[in-house]
Amino acid sequence: QVQLQESGPGLVKPSETLSLTCTVSGYSISRGYYWGWIRQPPGKSLDWIGSIYPSGSTYYNPSLKSRVTISLDTSKNQFSLTLSSVTAADTAVYYCARGPEGAPHNWFDPWGQGTLVTVSS
Amino acid sequence: DIQMTQSPSTLSASVGDRVTITCRASQSISSWLAWYQQKPGKAPKLLIYKASSLKSGVPSRFSGSGSGTEFTLTISSLQADDFATYYCQQYKSDSSFGQGTKVEIK
Repeated sequence: QVQLQESGPGLVKPSETLSLTCTVSGYSISRGYYWGWIRQPPGKSLDWIGSIYPSGSTYYNPSLKSRVTISLDTSKNQFSLTLSSVTAADTAVYYCARGPEGAPHNWFDPWGQGTLVTVSS
Repeated sequence: DIQMTQSPSTLSASVGDRVTITCRASQSISSWLAWYQQKPGKAPKLLIYKASSLKSGVPSRFSGSGSGTEFTLTISSLQADDFATYYCQQYKSDSSFGQGTKVEIK
């Protein structure tokens, strides 16, 4: 079955760039489906960050669009998130997840276990 | 952007109770709604998509209904494993989540 695993630094300094990678096993991301990032600040709800399709088409939350880039590395079966100019408000658990075929905006299933990123000097 | 509002924020219930959680959208989203269950320290798990379609493997005590702007998640007979936080998600326009409903032991 498909499994996703996030990786990356757990601590990022303010104004720097956050970079995370999601490694997918059990399915070749080049074959299809949408691949997305969602975050959850401590004690709060979920925020969709953006999604990517194997064609390279990307879809971003308008509130984050100016700072977000999502990319694919099909040779490593990974997709990545970069978020620039981070502040304390970007402190959150970051999840990667798969969205079904058919439309860029959809439910997500399955999800990775999540990784906590703290923005602090 | 579309705002999602869940009620109640917290719900106290006992094993065996019938539980209903409501999710309201700030504009019509047709049936483009999903429900998730999240336990502390864990990732959300999909329960229902397209407002009323039960994900394979999810117990049949979970059901979803509604369309347009008002939706409900019902647990017909609450089990010990169901104490968790539940989120709705709209995906008609971009994607956004409700603030969550925590189901706790009464």
